[in-house]
Formats: sequence, structure tokens, C-alpha cells
Amino acid sequence: SAVISQKPSRDICQRGTSLTIQCQVDSQVTMMFWYRQQPGQSLTLIATANQGSEATYESGFVIDKFPISRPNLTFSTLTVSNMSPEDSSIYLCSVELGRAYEQYFGPGTRLTVT
Amino acid sequence: QKEVEQNSGPLSVPEGAIASLNCTYSDRGSQSFFWYRQYSGKSPELIMSIYSNGDKEDGRFTAQLNKASQYVSLLIRDSQPSDSATYLCAVFTGGGNKLTFGTGTQLKVEL
Repeated sequence: SAVISQKPSRDICQRGTSLTIQCQVDSQVTMMFWYRQQPGQSLTLIATANQGSEATYESGFVIDKFPISRPNLTFSTLTVSNMSPEDSSIYLCSVELGRAYEQYFGPGTRLTVT
Repeated sequence: QKEVEQNSGPLSVPEGAIASLNCTYSDRGSQSFFWYRQYSGKSPELIMSIYSNGDKEDGRFTAQLNKASQYVSLLIRDSQPSDSATYLCAVFTGGGNKLTFGTGTQLKVEL
């Protein structure tokens, strides 16, 4: 596995503002992913971020709302833009490592929008 | 039909018993299957991967896969209170090229 960190661990933000979440991994990885987990629910994939290419977004998620950067093989950011209370959630990054399609998760960012 | 289905529970078992967690999936072409454990307030932790039909054992955990029935299960032997968590089944769907998660089964191991 790998050591994956996320910043911030939690934040409380006002509606209409934006928050950028950072994900750092201690080894080089090709595939990084961003998920959302709303209270009491399972994980929903927001987008896949490969270094050197544009992020691939899942249905229901758009780049204007969730821009993603992937400047190198150990780092990625997810921005939640123009936030509303419906964006209150836990945001998780993961990396693909080891055997085929195994994903390991960072500790998550708990976002509350007021 | 949901792509990956799990009984939400809670599933309650006494300490020392075998806990059996089940998952069904809809994409017959799925090739890779995973079980994650998620403690309350924590992120998911990968505990088992299984890629071929049959059983795979790792310590107290056994994953079972039956592709014909589109069914994957996780057995936890000698259940401990520390096993109390939500267990998420995840399936890699080649067509979508992504992991799809079930809604999870909450397991409670009682003293």
C-alpha cells in the first residue's frame, strides 16, 4: 500500500465559496480518483485523474463545479466550487496500487457548507 | 437494479461466531472484486481482493466468488468486537473502467 494524506481534514465553508482539497501520496502512481461519500451513504466516484491528461468525470459531475489538477505522479487537487449545503460531504481521494484495480484511500476531507 | 447490492443490516453476531456478508452484482463481465472495511468516521480500508471463482483466505477472512451466480461474499471467522464496522463490496466493471461500490453492510459483533 502507500501513505496517502489529504488536506484539510475538515472545513466549514460558506455557500458560494470554493474549497481546494489536496491529496498527496508517498509513491508515484498513475491513477488517482476522487470520491464523495454523503452521510450514511456509499462512495460515489466524481472523477479519475491521470497525470498528463484531463480528468475524466462521471455522470452528474462537471469540471466547472469540480475542477481537478494532477500536476505530477504524487499529487492531485479537487476544488469544490460555488458551494451549496448539498455539497456537504466527505471527499476522498484514492490511488490504484498493487494488484489489478486495487484502490487505497486517503483519510478524507469532511466538508460542511453553511 | 443496482449495479452492486448489499443488505444494509445491521448484521449482529455474537463474539466468536462467523459473520457472513453477501454482495450481488449486475455486470456479468466484471472481473475484479473487493471488500473494504470502514469504521465510523474513517475512510475505507481494503481487506480482501478476489479475481477468480472459489475461495480466498487471509487470516480470519475468507472471500468467496461465484461468477455464474454473480455473487461475492465475505466470511469473518471468530468475530471480534473490533470487527464491528461497515463492510463495502466493490466491483471493477471493465465497461465503465471504474470501481462501483455497494451501499455497505453494517456489522455489529456483540459481547
